[in-house]
Amino acid sequence: DIQMTQSPSTLSASIGDRVTITCRASQSISIWLAWYQQKLGKAPKLLIYKASSLESGVPSRFSGSGSGTEFTLTISSLQPDDFATYYCQQYKTYPLTFGGGTKVEIK
Amino acid sequence: EVPLLESGGGLVQPGGSLRLSCAASGFTFSSYAMNWVRQAPGKGLEWVSTIGGSGGSTYHADSVKGRLTISRDNSKNMLYLQMDSLRAEDTAVYYCARVVPGHTAFDYWGQGILVTVSS
Repeated sequence: DIQMTQSPSTLSASIGDRVTITCRASQSISIWLAWYQQKLGKAPKLLIYKASSLESGVPSRFSGSGSGTEFTLTISSLQPDDFATYYCQQYKTYPLTFGGGTKVEIK
Repeated sequence: EVPLLESGGGLVQPGGSLRLSCAASGFTFSSYAMNWVRQAPGKGLEWVSTIGGSGGSTYHADSVKGRLTISRDNSKNMLYLQMDSLRAEDTAVYYCARVVPGHTAFDYWGQGILVTVSS
């Protein structure tokens, strides 16, 4: 199975900060990676797929990059609505696997 | 919006059975692979099962293989998860989710349904 490791697990930031979350795969997954945002008690929301493709309706302050085993999700200017937990997910092969999550908190 | 509405959750004893349903509307159901993803209380996301649009191909996580079975009825726009031999570790919120065409990333999710396995 492909293991997905996110860092950090928790991140404290202020409104307007540039935020970067890293996701590492235990083996190459090419560009078959998605990012999700989840707020407490809600279903996850797709932000990015194919490593860098922005899902329709997602603000342009979110961007994704990377290939192979290392990926990043960047929020260019953190907004109040962005405080949430973020997950990466590989879909190179079954079983599909998620990272452990990164909680973005208010500093 | 692409409503996905789960039902059928609840409290069940260890070793018991339950069937989750997910009603889909607003899109051509048979054209999309569908999935179940779960989240144990306070934990991260765990993929459970995928089924192709025609229902001919299915995939299950090793942790549920032989106990949880995904199926679909395209004539009714319904997705199912038959859950047998349930264990305490199956306690979670279960989400049905649609995939982005051509990608196994999940673009639409239901609101989730809680399954609690406890005596």
